[in-house]
Amino acid sequence: DTGVSQDPRHKITKRGQNVTFRCDPISEHNRLYWYRQTLGQGPEFLTYFQNEAQLEKSRLLSDRFSAERPKGSFSTLEIQRTEQGDSAMYLCASSVVRTVNTEAFFGQGTRLTVV
Amino acid sequence: GNSVTQMEGPVTLSEEAFLTINCTYTATGYPSLFWYVQYPGEGLQLLLKATKADDKGSNKGFEATYRKETTSFHLEKGSVQVSDSAVYFCALWVIQGAQKLVFGQGTRLTINP
Repeated sequence: DTGVSQDPRHKITKRGQNVTFRCDPISEHNRLYWYRQTLGQGPEFLTYFQNEAQLEKSRLLSDRFSAERPKGSFSTLEIQRTEQGDSAMYLCASSVVRTVNTEAFFGQGTRLTVV
Repeated sequence: GNSVTQMEGPVTLSEEAFLTINCTYTATGYPSLFWYVQYPGEGLQLLLKATKADDKGSNKGFEATYRKETTSFHLEKGSVQVSDSAVYFCALWVIQGAQKLVFGQGTRLTINP
């Protein structure tokens, strides 16, 4: 399968713990995106990378959140000192840079539950 | 800024009924428009897209036409099936601007046999 892969699929953690999620994009894709989706809402943009450079961060991304893409391939999203409000589906997507006809391919997401 | 407004759900139809899910947008620049579908327990899948005015995207019997004059991209299907039950998201991407997809809130569709 050459699609976008996310790990783990599900994570239950206690409030105050740190969690880290991984995303492996489609291999030739140089753009990688993180989104958050809460129940009944559309995905909300968190951040994106072009190769290893983090080019934009949403105001949703508090200082407890950090994302990396160290070698321009896989990416990690870490949440420190988790809060119940962090419970959501975290989606990763990848794409190639094009001026037209671009599209993003999504992984199946990591569902985080903070108890 | 860029935003997408979708018809509020949930929408419940009988099998073989005609479906319309409304989507309107506001964009700075000239967006590409998309419909994504999310089946239960799965990630987002691209359903169809259109990159310029008057383009019609189509896939699996679904269609949507990029209407610049009304800033709309309504999703339609002539005869829905139970397997079409899912959440549908309209989205835009302004290639020349902020390099990201902006989504609507989603419309949950349930098709009864």
